Amino acid sequence: AQSVTQPDIHITVSEGASLELRCNYSYGATPYLFWYVQSPGQGLQLLLKYFSGDTLVQGIKGFEAEFKRSQSSFNLRKPSVHWSDAAEYFCAVGTTSGTYKYIFGTGTRLKVLA
Amino acid sequence: DSGVTQTPKHLITATGQRVTLRCSPRSGDLSVYWYQQSLDQGLQFLIHYYNGEERAKGNILERFSAQQFPDLHSELNLSSLELGDSALYFCASSRSGTSGRGTQYFGPGTRLLVL
Repeated sequence: AQSVTQPDIHITVSEGASLELRCNYSYGATPYLFWYVQSPGQGLQLLLKYFSGDTLVQGIKGFEAEFKRSQSSFNLRKPSVHWSDAAEYFCAVGTTSGTYKYIFGTGTRLKVLA
Repeated sequence: DSGVTQTPKHLITATGQRVTLRCSPRSGDLSVYWYQQSLDQGLQFLIHYYNGEERAKGNILERFSAQQFPDLHSELNLSSLELGDSALYFCASSRSGTSGRGTQYFGPGTRLLVL
């Protein structure tokens, strides 16, 4: 069965430090991959997505993610975190064949220290 | 602003009651998805409609039902409510309806509290 794992429930970084949020998936083929961000009391906003092609994907707000097929991973990175990045981040997988599915990970809550 | 609207923003009701949550997708989007977000279950996909037809079902209880109308707005009906149904219910919309490729645009959610 398809699944998405975000192994880090909480991450705390200092403002200005680099960030990497991990996402691993289980799927029989290459899925469509997404990262969403949810600020407190808000809906989810798409940060970036990967369908095919270049495995390094640029998104909004200075985020990027790299698809690594061999590791079944799609980690989210940002070189310098801002206090406004404090939020919850969700990795999601979209299936590319068979029954349509869109599966979210359990989320990683990011705290930014001033 | 994603362009997806949900009403009401907050809903407080009692166990055993029935409520209806409403979602209007972005202009031009034919797909509507419903999700439930709770502390213990995380973000759970409930159901997907595309142009009025049900396309996929996730972890939706039999007490819950949904429909999408000709004008493409959707309603999620929750009946015989239990305390455990208290959660944030999100609606999302996308252009795509046939695969997992479509980017989903999320509404602000309806927070349901069952007392």
